[in-house]
Amino acid sequence: QLVQSGAEVKKPGASVNISCKSSGYMFNAYYMHWVRQAPGQGLEWMAWVNPHAGGTKYGERFKGRISVTRDRSISTVYMELKNLRSDDTAVYFCARYRTPDGFDMWGQGTLVTVSA
Amino acid sequence: DVQLTQSPSTLSASVGDRITITCRASQSIRNWLAWYQQKPGKPPTLLIYKASGLESGVPSRFSGGGSGTEFTLTISGLQPDDFATYYCHYYDAYYTFGQGTKLEIK
Repeated sequence: QLVQSGAEVKKPGASVNISCKSSGYMFNAYYMHWVRQAPGQGLEWMAWVNPHAGGTKYGERFKGRISVTRDRSISTVYMELKNLRSDDTAVYFCARYRTPDGFDMWGQGTLVTVSA
Repeated sequence: DVQLTQSPSTLSASVGDRITITCRASQSIRNWLAWYQQKPGKPPTLLIYKASGLESGVPSRFSGGGSGTEFTLTISGLQPDDFATYYCHYYDAYYTFGQGTKLEIK
């Protein structure tokens, strides 16, 4: 399963760091992605990390503001989003990518609220 | 970038109905398409992968089809648990979601 850290409230311009802890499977074997969902809106892909080698890919909209890292020793992936704006208010999900099929396991979601 | 357009945005149906949701891609994506179901306050769950593969544990009333630029998700014999929002998803060089289709009880 994937267990994410708890809800956050941040001011504009601040950063948020969300964790996603994996258990029950081989952590290194599956890329981990981050997807967000603004209130009442659809799903938006953000980034992925290769837990084995540490390589990353970021969505164009987030480049320069996002960083995804992993700690193999505790099977945990982290997503940091900087310079938060009000339109970053969303539920953020981590999702395991099962090659070549899609996202077969999701975290429970972390609500990030950005408000002055 | 590949854009995915789902139709309809909202669909009203009754228990027992057969419904079809369409997802159109802005360019050919071969069969790199998945379908997810999402209920309020929950993460999405994978239903269909590679356009027509049924995910383990998903009821057989769900089926996917299509390739290239046009894809469908069909639910045959709607059950009360099926009323939710459905998303198509392209996953290859890019990762793009459709805007969603909300399936409502008529």
